[in-house]
Amino acid sequence: QKEVEQDPGPLSVPEGAIVSLNCTYSNSAFQYFMWYRQYSRKGPELLMYTYSSGNKEDGRFTAQVDKSSKYISLFIRDSQPSDSATYLCAMSREGQNFVFGPGTRLSVLP
Amino acid sequence: DGGITQSPKYLFRKEGQNVTLSCEQNLNHDAMYWYRQDPGQGLRLIYYSQIVNDFQKGDIAEGYSVSREKKESFPLTVTSAQKNPTAFYLCASSGRGVDTQYFGPGTRLTVL
Repeated sequence: QKEVEQDPGPLSVPEGAIVSLNCTYSNSAFQYFMWYRQYSRKGPELLMYTYSSGNKEDGRFTAQVDKSSKYISLFIRDSQPSDSATYLCAMSREGQNFVFGPGTRLSVLP
Repeated sequence: DGGITQSPKYLFRKEGQNVTLSCEQNLNHDAMYWYRQDPGQGLRLIYYSQIVNDFQKGDIAEGYSVSREKKESFPLTVTSAQKNPTAFYLCASSGRGVDTQYFGPGTRLTVL
């Protein structure tokens, strides 16, 4: 079993839809959870950072962490064509290196 | 502007050649990282450095080498021993006590 699993997609949605992106993980020691957005041929940019369980909201983006289920989600409200990118989840624990999911490719169609 | 720069953006190498990828940051971050990204795979850690003049192997260090002589610089050399070097290479950095990483724009290496 991979340490972090993520559906690679591609996921296609119409403009304005709510998008749900998810990752599951196996290591219960993970404490820090991140979502990165990566446009084609660019470096990943940090979107959301969450420590431990709970929700965090930033504009149209909401990150959720459910440590009991070892499951994290990123929701995008009112999706725009400019949200079309690959979304990477990443997680770590104190003093340890990050583990990344393979990414989900999202297309928002106008 | 604060950030991480990588050069060159595209690099072509003949088999048997060593090439060096540049990574510079002006964020005053202590830690720097090199990742390799292949289609359909997550980022894989090649080398990392938590402090100047010290670095550790990541998960796929074979065929690569690094140096960390200055805080702001962490160059990666892809040697001829790397069997399949064609990939997208990403450099990242993080501050002390901060559990997030910031990435550069990447270098795409192609072996001809």
